[in-house]
Amino acid sequence: EAGVAQSPRYKIIEKRQSVAFWCNPISGHATLYWYQQILGQGPKLLIQFQNNGVVDDSQLPKDRFSAERLKGVDSTLKIQPAKLEDSAVYLCASSPGTGAPETQYFGPGTRLLVL
Amino acid sequence: KQEVTQIPAALSVPEGENLVLNCSFTDSAIYNLQWFRQDPGKGLTSLLLIQSSQREQTSGRLNASLDKSSGRSTLYIAASQPGDSATYLCAVFQEKLTFGTGTRLTIIP
Repeated sequence: EAGVAQSPRYKIIEKRQSVAFWCNPISGHATLYWYQQILGQGPKLLIQFQNNGVVDDSQLPKDRFSAERLKGVDSTLKIQPAKLEDSAVYLCASSPGTGAPETQYFGPGTRLLVL
Repeated sequence: KQEVTQIPAALSVPEGENLVLNCSFTDSAIYNLQWFRQDPGKGLTSLLLIQSSQREQTSGRLNASLDKSSGRSTLYIAASQPGDSATYLCAVFQEKLTFGTGTRLTIIP
């Protein structure tokens, strides 16, 4: 079974530029998550989708971050404009059910450096 | 607001030793607690999941315990190997997963 795929793996941009990340979850998984992991910290949930609807985006900085999950499958996370403090690893995860207490499967992440 | 703390932040032990990693959380109303492993440049791999009604879970050389009333969990690794070197994260699930900051473990050959 293929795991969660993410691209690109690395991205370097200058502040005020825009960037987009892509995630393809495990086939058939209904719930998709985006996490931000700043160096030295644990991952923090940015947004959770169930199918193509948003369940939780309370910690998403909506003035600059946006995310979508068209057709309930893959997802994109966008930052526009980027700030220095957005430098982090962006992790995508998926789970088979409705996001209730169940194991989440994580992708390798996209490492973003904002200069 | 749930807060998850892991101590120590880093740990180095000689190969073959047994070791314990600690995790504490402030709100005991959790559904479950998970221990994850994170290797450099890679995502997270779930090691053990303990439901709130359980006291421990075991997988191979790993044993995780949960004392929900005191807000503590431990991950015990027996007979450590160099391949165990990684960052270990604990996370508790209420409405969402809340992670600790991790313990970076180095096993010295």
